Amino acid sequence: KQEVTQIPAALSVPEGENLVLNCSFTDSAIYNLQWFRQDPGKGLTSLLLIQSSQREQTSGRLNASLDKSSGRSTLYIAASQPGDSATYLCAVRQYTNAGKSTFGDGTTLTVKP
Amino acid sequence: DTEVTQTPKHLVMGMTNKKSLKCEQHMGHRAMYWYKQKAKKPPELMFVYSYEKLSINESVPSRFSPECPNSSLLNLHLHALQPEDSALYLCASSQDLPQSYGYTFGSGTRLTVV
Repeated sequence: KQEVTQIPAALSVPEGENLVLNCSFTDSAIYNLQWFRQDPGKGLTSLLLIQSSQREQTSGRLNASLDKSSGRSTLYIAASQPGDSATYLCAVRQYTNAGKSTFGDGTTLTVKP
Repeated sequence: DTEVTQTPKHLVMGMTNKKSLKCEQHMGHRAMYWYKQKAKKPPELMFVYSYEKLSINESVPSRFSPECPNSSLLNLHLHALQPEDSALYLCASSQDLPQSYGYTFGSGTRLTVV
């Protein structure tokens, strides 16, 4: 059974800092990995989607990497801003289990002005 | 249009009420999903529709009844819910079920059962 772990569970940084969020998974037979952000009480906003054949994706200040063999993905946020404060979730879509996704529990990020 | 629209945003219902949640997308996506999310937990899959047919039911109680009237619309009919069903209900879509596609989520319906 796929297990997805996100570390740390919570992170507080001063504005302007570069930071890394981690997502690890136990079964490397995946189609893709998707990073989302979720503001309190809101839906999930897709940030980056990495296919299993890709190593990284970039969008603006965000860069996500994928190392399937080691079961790890990182989300790098450059020059953090208070508006980046949210919960960040990773979701792994696997070959087994009818292609359903497994979500991590998320990392709650607070960026202080 | 790159959005998934969910209505209503908030819903309070009694345990004897019947209500429906609505989800709409106009991206031409052929797979649509219902998720349930409790506070500080990740989303839990409830149902998957592919080409307007139910393909996955995650052993959801029958008081939740999904419906996909057409390729753009997904409903979730609610009847005789329990207080523990209070949660954020999220709808999502993807281009197709071939699993290389990512999800687009709606903003959710906050449901409170009293």
